[in-house]
Amino acid sequence: GAGVSQSPSNKVTEKGKDVELRCDPISGHTALYWYRQSLGQGLEFLIYFQGNSAPDKSGLPSDRFSAERTGGSVSTLTIQRTQQEDSAVYLCASSLGLAGGHGGELFFGEGSRLTVL
Amino acid sequence: AQSVTQLGSHVSVSEGALVLLRCNYSSSVPPYLFWYVQYPNQGLQLLLKYTTGATLVKGINGFEAEFKKSETSFHLTKPSAHMSDAAEYFCAVSDRNTGGFKTIFGAGTRLFVKA
Repeated sequence: GAGVSQSPSNKVTEKGKDVELRCDPISGHTALYWYRQSLGQGLEFLIYFQGNSAPDKSGLPSDRFSAERTGGSVSTLTIQRTQQEDSAVYLCASSLGLAGGHGGELFFGEGSRLTVL
Repeated sequence: AQSVTQLGSHVSVSEGALVLLRCNYSSSVPPYLFWYVQYPNQGLQLLLKYTTGATLVKGINGFEAEFKKSETSFHLTKPSAHMSDAAEYFCAVSDRNTGGFKTIFGAGTRLFVKA
């Protein structure tokens, strides 16, 4: 597609369940990012990928959070044993980085809103 | 480690007044700098960016920002606010040492425009 696609757009789950959030970046974008947006908290960096590798996982809040990217394209963010504090909008973005001629601009998806009851 | 501070979580201006949204960064090496805007119920989009060259950069919708290395600042301005400017604005920095990949955002400033 033309833009970054995320699914599901909304997810309601019960505490303790596992959830998977999917991101399909813009074709050809080498970098892929996950952020968490909570009310009044801005955008919290979670992880970014260059190709299939994640040079920086420092933003993942706990070992319940994991992410992978395959084929240099689609990425999945998995949250195990969800807690109520995990409720937020999870944003995915992709980029060509500075070498791509866009000056490092991030292109964002619409987000996946997660509600943990 | 890099960090971004946006002074003021909420800013309110009258229509036609100057808009000034403040952003300061902390980085051992001057980073690449960005402002993004998020309109209500929409995704984030780029307003403007500074990577190299002229320190005063112009973006969409009449916004501009100036990189001041001595002050480690990248404040966003617009001479005359319009009602349609009401949105949340995020300052962001990316690390030159990672080729501009890792991007950190500030907490955001919500701009209100009064008629």
